[in-house]
Amino acid sequence: NAGVTQTPKFQVLKTGQSMTLQCAQDMNHEYMSWYRQDPGMGLRLIHYSVGAGITDQGEVPNGYNVSRSTTEDFPLRLLSAAPSQTSVYFCASSAGLRETQYFGPGTRLLVL
Amino acid sequence: DAKTTQPNSMESNEEEPVHLPCNHSTISGTDYIHWYRQLPSQGPEYVIHGLTSNVNNRMASLAIAEDRKSSTLILHRATLRDAAVYYCILNTGTASKLTFGTGTRLQVTL
Repeated sequence: NAGVTQTPKFQVLKTGQSMTLQCAQDMNHEYMSWYRQDPGMGLRLIHYSVGAGITDQGEVPNGYNVSRSTTEDFPLRLLSAAPSQTSVYFCASSAGLRETQYFGPGTRLLVL
Repeated sequence: DAKTTQPNSMESNEEEPVHLPCNHSTISGTDYIHWYRQLPSQGPEYVIHGLTSNVNNRMASLAIAEDRKSSTLILHRATLRDAAVYYCILNTGTASKLTFGTGTRLQVTL
């Protein structure tokens, strides 16, 4: 049972490049979410999904797109990376909105 | 929004109990109190949660005030491995409201 996995672990991008951060969970959880954590800060919610085919915006959605075609996967896309998107990105899943969230190990993104 | 207030940092000696406070004066009747912790260079991990009654598990205890406007996470015997940032959050059942503040950084010394 792998839990929540994220790839890549670390990525360097140039301004304007695009990329997709992958997130997968094997717990059959309906709820999945993406957070970003800037140095010395707490986590801020980017996008979330309450089930396959359903996504919505969190606190800081600008510059990011998501989709949820399967229960297992919830990729986060950066269409045109900016230095302000340099951060650590965490994916999380839970069985329901009031249930325990399980977090992945994170992806460290550096945008030059 | 359901907000929580925590001290920025706390220190403890190893093997001693630690009481981490959290204020949530705007809590509503159906909000659950969740605690997570984040070890260095890792994602947050669940510690404990409760609604009204005090809760115990293998990691910690959660003491909830009678008016629910505050709670305390209790680590009974702190170890060096408990050094982390501890987050107290209110789970309102609304996906967009799940927010993590800056938490309390716990330092544990020998």
